[in-house]
Amino acid sequence: GDSVTQMEGPVTLSEEAFLTINCTYTATGYPSLFWYVQYPGEGLQLLLKATKADDKGSNKGFEATYRKETTSFHLEKGSVQVSDSAVYFCALSGSSSYGKLTFGQGTILTVHP
Amino acid sequence: DGGITQSPKYLFRKEGQNVTLSCEQNLNHDAMYWYRQDPGQGLRLIYYSQIVNDFQKGDIAEGYSVSREKKESFPLTVTSAQKNPTAFYLCASSNRGLNTEAFFGQGTRLTVV
Repeated sequence: GDSVTQMEGPVTLSEEAFLTINCTYTATGYPSLFWYVQYPGEGLQLLLKATKADDKGSNKGFEATYRKETTSFHLEKGSVQVSDSAVYFCALSGSSSYGKLTFGQGTILTVHP
Repeated sequence: DGGITQSPKYLFRKEGQNVTLSCEQNLNHDAMYWYRQDPGQGLRLIYYSQIVNDFQKGDIAEGYSVSREKKESFPLTVTSAQKNPTAFYLCASSNRGLNTEAFFGQGTRLTVV
């Protein structure tokens, strides 16, 4: 079945540092890939998405590129802020699952001033 | 504003009692989902519904029940058969097509006392 693996966390960075959170997936066909963000005590918000190979999703300075050859969708940001502290989830929607998402385990990011 | 409303935000239940979590959406989405979130385990799918009066079990449906009598509503009942019900529960909705993202409510934190 479909699966998503995220890098082990938590991740702790200083403000303005470079961020990478690794995500790899296993799925049949051509899934859509997503990054969601969760702030403390809240639900999930869509951060960015990509629906086909080589697509780059971007939002709020975050980027991720759909790499089919390496089955990866790594999240990057050039300069993190304290307000980026949250839990980040990589997820996929399989080509036959019509919106049903499979999630990675989440990565806790803490940014210090 | 369009969105998904979950209620209550916090819920306490005594062992042996059933409890129902509410989820309402005004996004005109056909599909709705219930996920359970536990620390370090990401989100796991409990039940989903792609159309009114129809729903399917997800990965961890045992001890839970749902109904979908209206397009806008997808309540989740946590029964006494659920062995470890303390968790954060998230409701989501989406369009039914491929490559579509899910939108999430703010969640309900259920604690068994």
